[in-house]
Amino acid sequence: KAGVTQTPRYLIKTRGQQVTLSCSPISGHRSVSWYQQTPGQGLQFLFEYFSETQRNKGNFPGRFSGRQFSNSRSEMNVSTLELGDSALYLCASTLTGPWGDSPLHFGNGTRLTVT
Amino acid sequence: SQKIEQNSEALNIQEGKTATLTCNYTNYSPAYLQWYRQDPGRGPVFLLLIRENEKEKRKERLKVTFDTTLKQSLFHITASQPADSATYLCALDMGGLGAGKSTFGDGTTLTVKP
Repeated sequence: KAGVTQTPRYLIKTRGQQVTLSCSPISGHRSVSWYQQTPGQGLQFLFEYFSETQRNKGNFPGRFSGRQFSNSRSEMNVSTLELGDSALYLCASTLTGPWGDSPLHFGNGTRLTVT
Repeated sequence: SQKIEQNSEALNIQEGKTATLTCNYTNYSPAYLQWYRQDPGRGPVFLLLIRENEKEKRKERLKVTFDTTLKQSLFHITASQPADSATYLCALDMGGLGAGKSTFGDGTTLTVKP
């Protein structure tokens, strides 16, 4: 069974631009969560989607948004990029929904560098 | 405020010894606690999950304990090997409709020396 796939693997953008990251969950998984990982802040929860609906949201500005498609694939978008948005963006999927008792299956992330 | 602390940033041990990693939390009442392993440049990989009503869980050389009174989880790797060198993260989840907002500690980087 294929794991969680994130594309692209690396991305370099300029301040003020916007970016879209993609995540394909494990087949059959309906919940997709997004996390930002930086050396200073660690892993921070962005948002979670289940059956195309955003169920939970972290404490990030509105520049960060996401969506989920009917095939459970998900995208996240960051508009008006800032230098501080440079991070590893991780996507994770779970089988039935992250009720806490379903482990998160992470992809290997997209490394975003904002210059 | 809510806080998760993992003992030290780095832990160095000799091959064959038992590594013990600590995860302490304050102002949380987690329903579940999970441990993940992360290698450089890769996403975290799930290792073990323990529920609030469970005291201990084991999987091969791994053991996790969960003390909701002390608000602490201990993660043990017995007979450690150099291949166990990685960063280990604990994560809390409140469960129910608030689930999905797993909160992670900053991680402990374990180095096992041959």
